Amino acid sequence: AQSVAQPEDQVNVAEGNPLTVKCTYSVSGNPYLFWYVQYPNRGLQFLLKYITGDNLVKGSYGFEAEFNKSQTSFHLKKPSALVSDSALYFCAVSEDTGRRALTFGSGTRLQVQP
Amino acid sequence: DAGVIQSPRHEVTEMGQEVTLRCKPISGHNSLFWYRQTMMRGLELLIYFNNNVPIDDSGMPEDRFSAKMPNASFSTLKIQPSEPRDSAVYFCASIPRDRPYNEQFFGPGTRLTVL
Repeated sequence: AQSVAQPEDQVNVAEGNPLTVKCTYSVSGNPYLFWYVQYPNRGLQFLLKYITGDNLVKGSYGFEAEFNKSQTSFHLKKPSALVSDSALYFCAVSEDTGRRALTFGSGTRLQVQP
Repeated sequence: DAGVIQSPRHEVTEMGQEVTLRCKPISGHNSLFWYRQTMMRGLELLIYFNNNVPIDDSGMPEDRFSAKMPNASFSTLKIQPSEPRDSAVYFCASIPRDRPYNEQFFGPGTRLTVL
């Protein structure tokens, strides 16, 4: 069965500092990993995904994520946080065997302080 | 493209009433997903369709919930009778083809309040 863990309910960071939002996953087959962002009263917006290849994936708004197969992790990163990055971030996984629909983590609220 | 369209955006109803939520996926997308988001349970998949056929409905909570996709451009999620614990934000999402590596495009959601 698929599962995703986001161990931090909230991450606080000062504007201009680097940020990391953690995600670990569990699947039976090969994972496909996603990050989505949700702003208040909005639907989820796709940020980036890992399918195969280079372990460092670059996405929208300067975000990137690193796939680590041995640690089954897919942490979201940004070198310099902006106040406008404050939102709810979801990690999600699917796989090419078994259940093919996305399984989402519980979400991490990112708060960037000016 | 207008993106995924959901209606209504807000719905307030009384316990026992029937509720119908509507979704129009992005034109040309073949797979459609219904999710429910609550504080307690987070974001959970209710059901998904591929080419208008339900593929996985294991997340539908109980018989009070039903979903249909009569054609490629329209889907409904119905709750009958509604209960206060059904209060949540319901999202619809679509993807171009039923591939696990395709990112999903989400609608703005319907906020349902059952009194």
